[in-house]
Amino acid sequence: QGHLQESGPRLVKPSQALTLTCTVFGGSTSGYYWNWIRQPPGKGLEWIGYIYGTGSTIYNPSLESRVTISADTSKNQFSLKLNSVTAADTAVYYCARVGFSGYDFQGAFDIWGQGTMVTVSS
Amino acid sequence: EIVLTQSPGTLSLSPGERATLSCRASQSVSSSFLAWYQQKPGQAPRLLIFGASIRATGIPDRFSGSGSGTDFTLTISRLEPEDFAVYYCQQYGSSPLFTFGPGTTVDIK
Repeated sequence: QGHLQESGPRLVKPSQALTLTCTVFGGSTSGYYWNWIRQPPGKGLEWIGYIYGTGSTIYNPSLESRVTISADTSKNQFSLKLNSVTAADTAVYYCARVGFSGYDFQGAFDIWGQGTMVTVSS
Repeated sequence: EIVLTQSPGTLSLSPGERATLSCRASQSVSSSFLAWYQQKPGQAPRLLIFGASIRATGIPDRFSGSGSGTDFTLTISRLEPEDFAVYYCQQYGSSPLFTFGPGTTVDIK
């Protein structure tokens, strides 16, 4: 199976937008649910949202007003944009895939990127 | 929103001992959609168990999951040195679609 790699700025100023890209290596983005998850320093995991197939998205209601997830299937990439960031958005951001067992949706994240630390600071 | 609570917060054990980690949900969770992860410092989480009891690819059989409804358990039958880490449970299905527990740290006694 493939692997995932996050990329993007490590430092973002308050009130600006955070934008990250996840590249899927060794496989296609088609037919899977592609997610963003974050983890503030020393804290637990928070699911941000996912994009599936032709572009349908679902977001965590706590972030929905600020989040957009999009995909570029020609590049095997999907992206996160988080608007109006504050220090509370400082975190390691992971991209991850929801797996399938055969045709059965697992509801669990079977492949993760290594994560990228994003700091919100002026 | 389903809230997942994990206990204990920290479990101090020696290599070779048995570890029993608990995950309790505020509402019933489908067993098909309860998962466990291991996370080591500086690393991404690794999927151990999905469907409450199904080991993910490559996971040793000393890891097992059980439970249903609101109470789930991850058991590590005999701790190896590489098993000392933070463990998270996660559910799928209730808004927000995916939620994680706060984690249990298994450290060396």
